[in-house]
Amino acid sequence: DIQMTQSPSSLSASLGDRVTITCRASQDISYYLAWYRQKPGKVPELLIYAAVNLESGVPSRFSGSGSGTDFTLTISSLQPEDVATYYCQKYDSAPLTFGGGTKVDIK
Amino acid sequence: QVQLVQSGAEVKKPGASVKVSCQASGYIFTKFGVNWVRQAPGQGLEWMGWISTYSVNTNYAQTFQGRVTMTTDSSTSTAYMELRSLTSDDTAVYYCARVASYGDPYYSDYWGQGTLVTVSS
Repeated sequence: DIQMTQSPSSLSASLGDRVTITCRASQDISYYLAWYRQKPGKVPELLIYAAVNLESGVPSRFSGSGSGTDFTLTISSLQPEDVATYYCQKYDSAPLTFGGGTKVDIK
Repeated sequence: QVQLVQSGAEVKKPGASVKVSCQASGYIFTKFGVNWVRQAPGQGLEWMGWISTYSVNTNYAQTFQGRVTMTTDSSTSTAYMELRSLTSDDTAVYYCARVASYGDPYYSDYWGQGTLVTVSS
C-alpha cells in the first residue's frame, strides 16, 4: 500500500505568517490528493481536492500544489481560526490513506 | 443543505458488535458514495472503507476485512457501519462522510458529526 508522510508533525507560527505543510506519497498518485482541516474538537472539513482545487467556501488564503509524490498546502496569512490539525489523503485508489497530520498553533 | 446525521454514542463490552447509522439529507443519496473514517482519542484519521450507495459495492481497508460490514438503505437514505469483535483498540469516534464521486472510493466533501464508540469491560 502507498504510505502518506506529512511534515512537520507540528508547527507554531505567528498571525499573518505564511505556513507550508508538506505531504509525500511513497508512490506516484498523480493529482489524487485532498487536504482537510480539523479544528480542535470538530469534524474534519475539506479544503483542497485534486491537489490544487479550492473547495467552495474555503478562504482563498489556502492553496495547494504538487503532483506525483510531493504535495504542499500553503496558508498565505495565518489566522486564529486556522489553529487545527491538517491531514492529506490520497484517493487514486483504495486504501484511501491519510497522512499522520500536522498540528498548527499560534506562536 | 447537505447533512449527515449519525446515531448516538455507544458503550460496548469487548467482543461485542456495534452498528452506527448515518442518515443523509439535502441531496440524492444514490448519487454519492459513503466513506467511513475513525479517529482514536488523540490520534489521526483512519479510513475504514467505502460503500457505493448505488451498486452497494464495498471496499474495506485490510485492517478491518472480515470484521466490518457496510450497508445502505436507500429508502431511508441511511448508511450503516457494523464492526464486530470489538476490543479496547476500537474505542474511537466514527465518522461517515459523503464521497465526492458516483462509483469509486474518493475524497469526502461532507462529514457526519461523529459517533463515539467506547469499548470497555
